[in-house]
Amino acid sequence: GENVEQHPSTLSVQEGDSAVIKCTYSDSASNYFPWYKQELGKGPQLIIDIRSNVGEKKDQRIAVTLNKTAKHFSLHITETQPEDSAVYFCAATTPRNFGNEKLTFGTGTRLTIIP
Amino acid sequence: KAGVTQTPRYLIKTRGQQVTLSCSPISGHRSVSWYQQTPGQGLQFLFEYFSETQRNKGNFPGRFSGRQFSNSRSEMNVSTLELGDSALYLCASSGQGGNSPLHFGNGTRLTVT
Repeated sequence: GENVEQHPSTLSVQEGDSAVIKCTYSDSASNYFPWYKQELGKGPQLIIDIRSNVGEKKDQRIAVTLNKTAKHFSLHITETQPEDSAVYFCAATTPRNFGNEKLTFGTGTRLTIIP
Repeated sequence: KAGVTQTPRYLIKTRGQQVTLSCSPISGHRSVSWYQQTPGQGLQFLFEYFSETQRNKGNFPGRFSGRQFSNSRSEMNVSTLELGDSALYLCASSGQGGNSPLHFGNGTRLTVT
């Protein structure tokens, strides 16, 4: 089955600096890569996603890049703010028959923004 | 639009008991997935239901089961609870399942003593 590795497990950055979280996946057939943010006491919230026919996607201060050849994708957060502090999860989906896809999650990155 | 609602938020059970967790998806969403989240194992997929049918299943023992009703609400049941079942159980809904974005609830925190 699919295996997703995520690095680093913890990351501290100064407010205003950029943060980068990286993930690799094992199944070259994977075609959907969402990123989730989980705050304390809450469920994961989708913040951005990318599909395998796109190399990069941006949404304000957040961007995701995908390298299908190397089978890795990254989350970039620019101009970090204290409210960006949370645990971030990457995920990948391996398509099978329609509707039978399931997300495989990375192990998470605890991001701390230092004021 | 209301989000995914999970009840109860917290549960404390003893070993050997069984438990039922409930999930109400976003209105109009027909796919409901369940995940177990623990510090050691991260987010693990349990199963997915679509139109009252289990469409996909993770690698959990048969003590974990679920169902979906005609209004798309879903329940998850764990029988013969073990200490290792202590976890945050998350429900997520999506419009069609597959590669549609998942919307998670805030989970049910189950503690087994």
